[in-house]
Amino acid sequence: NAGVTQTPKFQVLKTGQSMTLQCAQDMNHNSMYWYRQDPGMGLRLIYYSASEGTTDKGEVPNGYNVSRLNKREFSLRLESAAPSQTSVYFCASRQSFYEQYFGPGTRLTVT
Amino acid sequence: AQSVTQLGSHVSVSEGALVLLRCNYSSSVPPYLFWYVQYPNQGLQLLLKYTSAATLVKGINGFEAEFKKSETSFHLTKPSAHMSDAAEYFCAVSDLNSGNTPLVFGKGTRLSVIA
Repeated sequence: NAGVTQTPKFQVLKTGQSMTLQCAQDMNHNSMYWYRQDPGMGLRLIYYSASEGTTDKGEVPNGYNVSRLNKREFSLRLESAAPSQTSVYFCASRQSFYEQYFGPGTRLTVT
Repeated sequence: AQSVTQLGSHVSVSEGALVLLRCNYSSSVPPYLFWYVQYPNQGLQLLLKYTSAATLVKGINGFEAEFKKSETSFHLTKPSAHMSDAAEYFCAVSDLNSGNTPLVFGKGTRLSVIA
């Protein structure tokens, strides 16, 4: 049982490049989430998917798109990366009212 | 809308001293509450949770928290700090009106432990 996995762990992009961050969970959870974490800003929700087939914007969705590929996988895409998107990205999953389980994070630098 | 307030973005204690990290929530109904810990360069790990059973909840690494409805608080404590407790701690609340909406997180409190 791997929990929540994220790939890649590290990535460096040039401004304007695109990339997709992958997330998968093996706990059969309905809900999945993408956060970014910046120094002094806590966790900020980018997008979430309450169930397979649905996605909703969070607090900071601009510049990002998501795809809930199936119940296990939830990807985050940066179409045209900007330096302001330099951050650590966390994926999480959850079943009903209980705790969220987090992945190990992807550290992204945009130059 | 629910919210979580963590008093103090940075708390510093001496090794062996009491750790007290404060969390207050606002909610129309008693929610489920959680504390997470994040060690440097790692993801968030669940420390403990309150889900309407006992109001005093014990977690991992000697931490505990008490749910106080009258004070809308869920403060985290540990009797004796250890150097390995240095980390960032997040309090979070669950909206029991909808199980699919994300947890609402506080801004976090960074705990430093001084030798």
